[in-house]
Amino acid sequence: KAGVTQTPRYLIKTRGQQVTLSCSPISGHRSVSWYQQTPGQGLQFLFEYFSETQRNKGNFPGRFSGRQFSNSRSEMNVSTLELGDSALYLCASSLAGGGITYEQYFGPGTRLTVT
Amino acid sequence: QQQVKQSPQSLIVQKGGIPIINCAYENTAFDYFPWYQQFPGKGPALLIAIRPDVSEKKEGRFTISFNKSAKQFSLHIMDSQPGDSATYFCAASIKDKLIFGTGTLLAVQP
Repeated sequence: KAGVTQTPRYLIKTRGQQVTLSCSPISGHRSVSWYQQTPGQGLQFLFEYFSETQRNKGNFPGRFSGRQFSNSRSEMNVSTLELGDSALYLCASSLAGGGITYEQYFGPGTRLTVT
Repeated sequence: QQQVKQSPQSLIVQKGGIPIINCAYENTAFDYFPWYQQFPGKGPALLIAIRPDVSEKKEGRFTISFNKSAKQFSLHIMDSQPGDSATYFCAASIKDKLIFGTGTLLAVQP
């Protein structure tokens, strides 16, 4: 099976702009989660989608949003970019469902640099 | 209560040594405890995971020890190799939300 894929891999944006990142989960996985990784804050949970519904949300401002499509692919959007949004954005997919946690598999990430 | 505390921050061992990384948590609702390995420029890769009803799990050279009463778990890497040099993260999860430790940078010297 192909792994989790994320596009683009690298992105440079200017403060105030917005950005959309894409994630394709492992085939058959219905849950997609997004994480932000920075040297200062480490790996932080952004949100999780299952069957096109946001089930879980981390402590990030409303500028961070996401969605999931019927084929389980997911996008996240960051509006009005700030310098502090520079990070590696990681997507993870899992089988999910049934009320218990399943293994999450990560993609390679999108490296976002805000100048 | 949602935190996962990980130690040490960095670790240097000789080839063949057994590095041990420790994690502690507070929230007893966590139902799944994975360990991830991350190389520079890559996403975290799932190494091994355990559920709280099991005290130990081995997969190849990697072993998780889990102490439910102490709310602690640890990763042991047997016969460590230079190729194991990476950053290791513990995590705890509830309903697909992973809370990560701060990471341990492991260097295995030849």
